[in-house]
Amino acid sequence: KAGVTQTPRYLIKTRGQQVTLSCSPISGHRSVSWYQQTPGQGLQFLFEYFSETQRNKGNFPGRFSGRQFSNSRSEMNVSTLELGDSALYLCASSQDTAPYEQYFGPGTRLTVT
Amino acid sequence: AQKVTQAQTEISVVEKEDVTLDCVYETRDTTYYLFWYKQPPSGELVFLIRRNSFDEQNEISGRYSWNFQKSTSSFNFTITASQVVDSAVYFCALRTYKYIFGTGTRLKVLA
Repeated sequence: KAGVTQTPRYLIKTRGQQVTLSCSPISGHRSVSWYQQTPGQGLQFLFEYFSETQRNKGNFPGRFSGRQFSNSRSEMNVSTLELGDSALYLCASSQDTAPYEQYFGPGTRLTVT
Repeated sequence: AQKVTQAQTEISVVEKEDVTLDCVYETRDTTYYLFWYKQPPSGELVFLIRRNSFDEQNEISGRYSWNFQKSTSSFNFTITASQVVDSAVYFCALRTYKYIFGTGTRLKVLA
């Protein structure tokens, strides 16, 4: 089975721009979660999607948004980028039945200059 | 409130030493799941083990073992005879209706 894939792997943007990151979950997994990882804040939960609906949301400003498509692929968008958005963005997929372990992609490293 | 605490920020050991990573969790839910993930320098988190709240049986898998104690809300992870390849950041996580990750413990195994 192919793992979780994320594109692009690396991205450099300037302040004020917007960015879209993509995640393809493991086949059969309908739940997709996004996390932001920074050295200072650790692993912060952004949101979770299931069946094209946002099921949970973390404490991030409205500049961070996401969506999920009918094939379970997911995208997250960050508008009006700030320097502090520089981070590793991780996507994880899981089945929606116990025991719910998540399988992570390699991440997208976003650098905002 | 739900919370996962990994009090050890960084641990350094010499190869072949045993090391235990601590994890303490808080939840009022009676049904929950606990996980350990490993993040090697490459960056990709790798699932290691899960436990549900009804299964306090401890487990040994090769050099890895886990100790789950509901009485102390702890889910500790021990690596026996550590190796350099064990060097990574280890995350403990709790899932009720959503995932909560601890802040991670960086393990450095020195040759």
